[in-house]
Amino acid sequence: GESVGLHLPTLSVQEGDNSIINCAYSNSASDYFIWYKQESGKGPQFIIDIRSNMDKRQGQRVTVLLNKTVKHLSLQIAATQPGDSAVYFCAENIKRGDSWGKLQFGAGTQVVVTP
Amino acid sequence: NAGVTQTPKFRVLKTGQSMTLLCAQDMNHEYMYWYRQDPGMGLRLIHYSVGEGTTAKGEVPDGYNVSRLKKQNFLLGLESAAPSQTSVYFCASTANTGELFFGEGSRLTVL
Repeated sequence: GESVGLHLPTLSVQEGDNSIINCAYSNSASDYFIWYKQESGKGPQFIIDIRSNMDKRQGQRVTVLLNKTVKHLSLQIAATQPGDSAVYFCAENIKRGDSWGKLQFGAGTQVVVTP
Repeated sequence: NAGVTQTPKFRVLKTGQSMTLLCAQDMNHEYMYWYRQDPGMGLRLIHYSVGEGTTAKGEVPDGYNVSRLKKQNFLLGLESAAPSQTSVYFCASTANTGELFFGEGSRLTVL
């Protein structure tokens, strides 16, 4: 079946360095992708999204890149801080007409920021 | 503005018992979702609702029922709990966008 997955289950990053979290998706009909951050003991929080007609989108300290040719999504975090330690999930959606679809989440990547 | 509130936050059940998890949102969102989160498996959709009075099955609906009698509330019921339903349950809501607002989670243990 279709799936969303992550290449690395755990990513250790030194404080101040840039982080890159990768995600592979297999559903070519997916038209919308989102990154969520989940801190320990909390619910996921929206970080940034990107539509399939874009290949790059920037937010505050974060950039999402989409490569539809190889069905790959990445989240880049600039100048990683201790507060960035969390599990990061990518999610994909297939929009159905004017209605919102259902998100399919990947398994998540644990990011650990070391001093 | 409380956002999405889940109750209870923790619950321990014996096999065969029933219970209901309540999700309430104060953002006037049309869409509401129930997910379960298990180690190494990410978030899996149980049931969802696209508006008051409507519900639909997600990826893993078996053993669960839901109701959306009021727009602000989405209830998840377990009629006969099983150990396989031990998990952390998250409710989420959204307007017609990909930005889901999640609750803090409800940790359920079935013995």
